[in-house]
Amino acid sequence: LAKTTQPISMDSYEGQEVNITCSHNNIATNDYITWYQQFPSQGPRFIIQGYKTKVTNEVASLFIPADRKSSTLSLPRVSLSDTAVYYCLVGGLYTDKLIFGTGTRLQVFP
Amino acid sequence: EPEVTQTPSHQVTQMGQEVILRCVPISNHLYFYWYRQILGQKVEFLVSFYNNEISEKSEIFDDQFSVERPDGSNFTLKIRSTKLEDSAMYFCASSTGGAFFGQGTRLTVV
Repeated sequence: LAKTTQPISMDSYEGQEVNITCSHNNIATNDYITWYQQFPSQGPRFIIQGYKTKVTNEVASLFIPADRKSSTLSLPRVSLSDTAVYYCLVGGLYTDKLIFGTGTRLQVFP
Repeated sequence: EPEVTQTPSHQVTQMGQEVILRCVPISNHLYFYWYRQILGQKVEFLVSFYNNEISEKSEIFDDQFSVERPDGSNFTLKIRSTKLEDSAMYFCASSTGGAFFGQGTRLTVV
């Protein structure tokens, strides 16, 4: 399973765009990249998943360069409610398990 | 939007007692998982279940733990003889290409 590295924490202000980068140097050919959001005492919430290039949904965008050794989660115009821990996970689409790292703690200030 | 539901949301049990945590996965999903998160720590993989059998388990998932899919809709985690260190949030997840998590059961062993 590919190991991921993310910043431990990030700070932002309301209305700003936030980009969280994840490094996964040993990603395998059949691995997908998935991002989750977690609030205290709640289950991880699926945000976005991608394999290559760019994926966009109603809450975020995911940018994956051609070598796939990193990925960037982009949150447009964050609000206070986006304060949470964000996890980058790498694994097969039908994987036996997902390995969570320590994630990135995003703090949004007014 | 379909979701994974877990019951109970909070359970308090005495050390040595058996507990059963219940989950209803998303209906067309094929892969099922249990994870746990001790307060302030990472989300840890416990076990994955596919095609009515365990497909992978972690070293945490010892003989005290078991999983079952007793019917077409429920997925349960049993802890036979709880220990103080089993106190944690337990999350169920289901997947058919992207894992979705329930809101968790907070287990408190006293």
